[in-house]
Amino acid sequence: KQEVTQIPAALSVPEGENLVLNCSFTDSAIYNLQWFRQDPGKGLTSLLLIQSSQREQTSGRLNASLDKSSGRSTLYIAASQPGDSATYLCAVWSRGNEKLTFGTGTRLTIIP
Amino acid sequence: DVKVTQSSRYLVKRTGEKVFLECVQDMDHENMFWYRQDPGLGLRLIYFSYDVKMKEKGDIPEGYSVSREKKERFSLILESASTNQTSMYLCASSHRKTGLREKLFFGSGTQLSVL
Repeated sequence: KQEVTQIPAALSVPEGENLVLNCSFTDSAIYNLQWFRQDPGKGLTSLLLIQSSQREQTSGRLNASLDKSSGRSTLYIAASQPGDSATYLCAVWSRGNEKLTFGTGTRLTIIP
Repeated sequence: DVKVTQSSRYLVKRTGEKVFLECVQDMDHENMFWYRQDPGLGLRLIYFSYDVKMKEKGDIPEGYSVSREKKERFSLILESASTNQTSMYLCASSHRKTGLREKLFFGSGTQLSVL
């Protein structure tokens, strides 16, 4: 059974810093990994999707990497801004059982 | 941009009531999903559908049913609401380019309280 872990559960950093969010998964047999953002009381917004054959994806100040063999992904946020404050979730599509498994997220606070 | 619209942001219902949660997407997506999100438990899949009139059980289907009469609309039904169904309900859709495994687009959620 696939398990997805995001540590830490919460993170606070000063504005302007670069930061890394972590996601680990137990079964490397995946199709892809997605990173989402969720604002309080709202739905999820897809940020980046990395296929299993890819190593990274970039969108603006965001860069997501995937190391399938070690079961890890990172989301790098450059030059953080207060508007980046949100919960960030990762999710993996697993082969075999064809299921999307979510982590429980990292709540990020950018301090002005 | 893809838009997934959930009919209500907040709902308050009584125990035993029949509850309908509606979701509409405007991008002709084949796949639609219903999740619930609870603190400490994350997102859990209730039901999904990969075509009109098709439905598949997710991880926690008990106490729920779904309806997909039209491609753009996917309804979640609580036949007899109970307090343990108090939760945030999230609808999502995706294009079926490679089966189910495409980028998901979510609605803004419905916070349901069952009293």
